[in-house]
Amino acid sequence: QSALTQPPSASGSPGQSVTISCTGTSRDVGGYNLVSWYQQHPGKAPKLLIYEVSKRPSGVPDRFSGSKSGNTASLTVSGLQAEDEADYYCCSHAGRNIPHVFGTGTKVIVL
Amino acid sequence: QVQLQQSGPGLVKPSQTLSLTCAISGDSVSSSGAAWNWIRQSPSRGLEWLGRTYYRSKWYNDYAVFVKSRITISPDTSKNQFSLQLNSVTPEDTAVYYCARDPEYSASILDIWGQGTMVTVSS
Repeated sequence: QSALTQPPSASGSPGQSVTISCTGTSRDVGGYNLVSWYQQHPGKAPKLLIYEVSKRPSGVPDRFSGSKSGNTASLTVSGLQAEDEADYYCCSHAGRNIPHVFGTGTKVIVL
Repeated sequence: QVQLQQSGPGLVKPSQTLSLTCAISGDSVSSSGAAWNWIRQSPSRGLEWLGRTYYRSKWYNDYAVFVKSRITISPDTSKNQFSLQLNSVTPEDTAVYYCARDPEYSASILDIWGQGTMVTVSS
C-alpha cells in the first residue's frame, strides 16, 4: 500500500487561507469516506483535526475544514494563525485489513 | 479522559527484538468498540501504520504487510495495556514509535495518541 501524496509545503500570511491536497486512488481515498487529517507540531504526537472527510472532533476550531472529490481529499485552514504552523498529514482507510494509510505530509508555514 | 502512556527501551541492537508497552487509562483494552494501534515515524519513511489489536468476542490482529512476518501486538487485560514486539530489527527500524486508539475500529480514526518513544537500532 503506497503512501498518499501531499505537497511538501504550503504557506500563507496570518488571516489568509491555505488548502492542502491529499491524492490517493480508488482503493483508498476514492473508495471510502474515511479520510482523516492530523496536525503535528515539532516533537509532539499527531493530533486529530478531521475525521470521516469533514467532521471535526470536539475542541477543534471551525477554521479547519475537510472535503473530498474523487481520489483527492483536501484540508483548508482559514484565518491562518501563527500556531497553525505545523506538519499536516492525511490518512485514509484502504480496506478491512488496512485501516490507516498516511500521506507524505505537508509543512504549513505562516509567513 | 483517555490517556496512553508508552514505555520501553530507546536503544535496541540489530537482529534483536524491539519491545514497547502502551498503558491505557480512561478506557479498556477489551472495549468492544475500540482498536489499539502502533504507528511509527521516521524522516525517510514518514508515518507508517504497523498494526492493531481489538476485541470482538475474541481477539483479532491486523498487521501491515511490510512487517507482518516480524510483528506481534498483544493485549494484556490484567494490566489494561497492549504491547508491540518487532523481531529481527535493522537500522531501518529506527523511528519514533506511537501507540494510538481508534475509538471505532471500522472508522479509521486515531483520536488519542501516546507520547511517542524514540527507538534507535544500533550496536
